[in-house]
Amino acid sequence: KQEVTQIPAALSVPEGENLVLNCSFTDSAIYNLQWFRQDPGKGLTSLLLIQSSQREQTSGRLNASLDKSSGRSTLYIAASQPGDSATYLCAAQGAQKLVFGQGTRLTINP
Amino acid sequence: DTAVSQTPKYLVTQMGNDKSIKCEQNLGHDTMYWYKQDSKKFLKIMFSYNNKELIINETVPNRFSPKSPDKAHLNLHINSLELGDSAVYFCASSQAPTGSQYFGPGTRLLVL
Repeated sequence: KQEVTQIPAALSVPEGENLVLNCSFTDSAIYNLQWFRQDPGKGLTSLLLIQSSQREQTSGRLNASLDKSSGRSTLYIAASQPGDSATYLCAAQGAQKLVFGQGTRLTINP
Repeated sequence: DTAVSQTPKYLVTQMGNDKSIKCEQNLGHDTMYWYKQDSKKFLKIMFSYNNKELIINETVPNRFSPKSPDKAHLNLHINSLELGDSAVYFCASSQAPTGSQYFGPGTRLLVL
């Protein structure tokens, strides 16, 4: 049974800093690893999807890496901005379902 | 144009009532999902449909019954609502069961 863990549960940093969010999963037999953003009271927005054959994906200031053998993924956010404040969720895609971590609540302080 | 839409956004009801939540996607996707996000913000899949066929049913009480009249719609009917059903319910869709998922805005259900 796949389990996904995100550390830390919450993170607060000053504006402008680079930061890393961590995600680990127990079953390496995944199709892909997805990162989402959730703003308070809103739905989820897909940020990045890394296929199991890939090592990383980039979108703007975001870079996600995947190491299947160790069961880890990281989301790197460069030059953080107050608008980046949200909850970030990672999810491991199995044969049929997406299993989510509990998220990291990120606060960027102006 | 909203890609994945849900109605209603908010639902407040009494224990024991029956209610439905509707979901529509205009992305042309083949696969649709229902997720439940509990008070601790943990998001867990409930059901998945591919081309109107049920492919995932995750240990959900049979008071919950999904219905997919066509590929663009997946509705969720809940019978005999209980206090523990209070949560946010999200609908999502993807082109294929392992593809990138697009989520609706959620339906906030409160059972009193």
